[in-house]
Amino acid sequence: DAGITQSPRHKVTETGTPVTLRCHQTENHRYMYWYRQDPGHGLRLIHYSYGVKDTDKGEVSDGYSVSRSKTEDFLLTLESATSSQTSVYFCATKKDTWNTGELFFGEGSRLTVL
Amino acid sequence: AQKVTQAQTEISVVEKEDVTLDCVYETRDTTYYLFWYKQPPSGELVFLIRRNSFDEQNEISGRYSWNFQKSTSSFNFTITASQVVDSAVYFCALSNAAGNKLTFGGGTRVLVKP
Repeated sequence: DAGITQSPRHKVTETGTPVTLRCHQTENHRYMYWYRQDPGHGLRLIHYSYGVKDTDKGEVSDGYSVSRSKTEDFLLTLESATSSQTSVYFCATKKDTWNTGELFFGEGSRLTVL
Repeated sequence: AQKVTQAQTEISVVEKEDVTLDCVYETRDTTYYLFWYKQPPSGELVFLIRRNSFDEQNEISGRYSWNFQKSTSSFNFTITASQVVDSAVYFCALSNAAGNKLTFGGGTRVLVKP
């Protein structure tokens, strides 16, 4: 258990509004990730971070931005939410050992865009 | 590019039956890592197993067993004598050589009926 907390856990918003999801970890893990889970698609990587202020895009990054100003926090922002971004969002972390790959996941944040 | 395919979207069995979940992967890396995760109805993702590309030994952990075959790029998962508590979505995943990005399959939902 990497002590990962996601907030909010549930959110309903309207198309065009900005949304920020927060991921907070207490284990000082170097890597942090944002995934989205949709039926039939499994989990798809949105963005990830390999250190403070170091981020990179995943396979479905369009429409999303991230920031990591502190080791423990990784923010996911939807600048202008669309209905296609209705999903369950999972944050994950990984220890700073390059060859393990095991991720620890948060409990998920369910976002509904009307 | 990496890809993971779980062709079975849903499997329904009666308790005590065995169930095998298929996973086929694609990668150009010679070093990579394969994973299985379980997502019970409560929604969290639980790590089950990690296997590196140089270790083709099959593994058994209680009622769970895994069959890794590089020749067919498959990493199949078998639950023996299934129980109702095994009902969940199971994800196969593939990590790159650096172990810093995980690509998931679409998941297989297993329903074990009493």
